[in-house]
This record gives sequence, structure tokens and C-alpha cells, in this order.
Amino acid sequence: DAGVIQSPRHEVTEMGQEVTLRCKPISGHDYLFWYRQTMMRGLELLIYFNNNVPIDDSGMPEDRFSAKMPNASFSTLKIQPSEPRDSAVYFCASSLQTSITRVDEQFFGPGTRLTVL
Amino acid sequence: AQSVTQPDIHITVSEGASLELRCNYSYGATPYLFWYVQSPGQGLQLLLKYFSGDTLVQGIKGFEAEFKRSQSSFNLRKPSVHWSDAAEYFCAVGFQTGANNLFFGTGTRLTVIP
Repeated sequence: DAGVIQSPRHEVTEMGQEVTLRCKPISGHDYLFWYRQTMMRGLELLIYFNNNVPIDDSGMPEDRFSAKMPNASFSTLKIQPSEPRDSAVYFCASSLQTSITRVDEQFFGPGTRLTVL
Repeated sequence: AQSVTQPDIHITVSEGASLELRCNYSYGATPYLFWYVQSPGQGLQLLLKYFSGDTLVQGIKGFEAEFKRSQSSFNLRKPSVHWSDAAEYFCAVGFQTGANNLFFGTGTRLTVIP
């Protein structure tokens, strides 16, 4: 398997522009997570999906952020409009829950480094 | 509330020396414990995990970790550090609440000096 795939790897945009980050999870995985990593705040969970349904979006910073998972093999994280404080590395991760009573490991993508000027 | 603490922000060790990175968690439910490593510019890679059974678990790259329930700890160890081990290390914990998400510590940055 190719692992979790994210695109683009780097994105530079200007304040006010719309940014769309993309993620392809590992085939067969039923959970997908979006994280944001910054020096100041560390690794933050933004939102996660189970079987394409958003389960917890309490980490989404504000209404400018939105995430969708139209099918099991694709998810997007959109920022509109973008601001300089959104500059960070955004990670997508996926996992396969093997039992309802267990928490399984997450497999991370390489990340998208976003710079908003 | 669930929380994960990595008390050491930055550790420096000499190549060949032993290493121990600390991780503590708080919550009463059965924990599922993980250590991840992140090299510069890379995503997080799983080093090892603990679900049940033997409390000493072996991982990749010569790392091991020991779960101590009485101390709510899951410390990562390596007997002899290599320069290539320089990276950021994250402890993560999942709790048996039905949710499949992980709580990550703030990370420990490891510097290895020759």
C-alpha cells in the first residue's frame, strides 16, 4: 500500500485566498483524521471521520475551516478565506478500528506545509 | 479529562549513550499506548504500541517502552542512541471510550551529539 497520500506537499498562498488540502487514506481504513502542527500549539486534532461521517469537529478553529469526506478514499480540508495565522503543517492520518473496544494506531501522511502570506 | 504529558521538551544525549523519554497520562480507563517519531519535514511514524499483556514492548529501530499502570507512565527507552535517532518523539494515548481517536503529548525533541 502506498500509505496515506496528501497533496499538495507545499502550498504558498496570499491572505484571503481559498486553500484546499487533499488526503487519500489507506485503502480499507474506516477512520480519517486531520491535524494541524505548529511550533506554538504543537499537534492539534481538527476533525475526524468514521465511515465518511464527521464524528468530532470541535477542534476546527473557526468557520473558515471546513472538511468533507465524500467517499472512503478521499477527504478535503478547506480554508476560506485563509489568514497568515493558518500557516502550519497539516497532517492527515487514517486508521482501521479492529474492535469497538480498542483504539488502533494511526498512520500519518507526509503533511502539507501551508504558508499564508 | 484525558491528558498526556511529556515533561521534557528537549533532551540532548551523546551518541552511544542510553535514552529514556518520559510519558504520563491521566484517565482511569484502560489506555492504549503509542510512541511515534517525527523526523524533520516528515510525518509521524509509529515506533511501538501497547494494548495488553507483557508491559515491556519492543518496537522498531531498537526502541522499547514499559507500561507502568501504578505510575500511569509509558516511558520510551533505547540502550544506545545513534545520530540518526535525532527527531521529535510523541507519546499518544487512546482510551477505551468507544472513540477511536488518540491524545498526543506535546513532544520531546531529541538532539544527539557526536
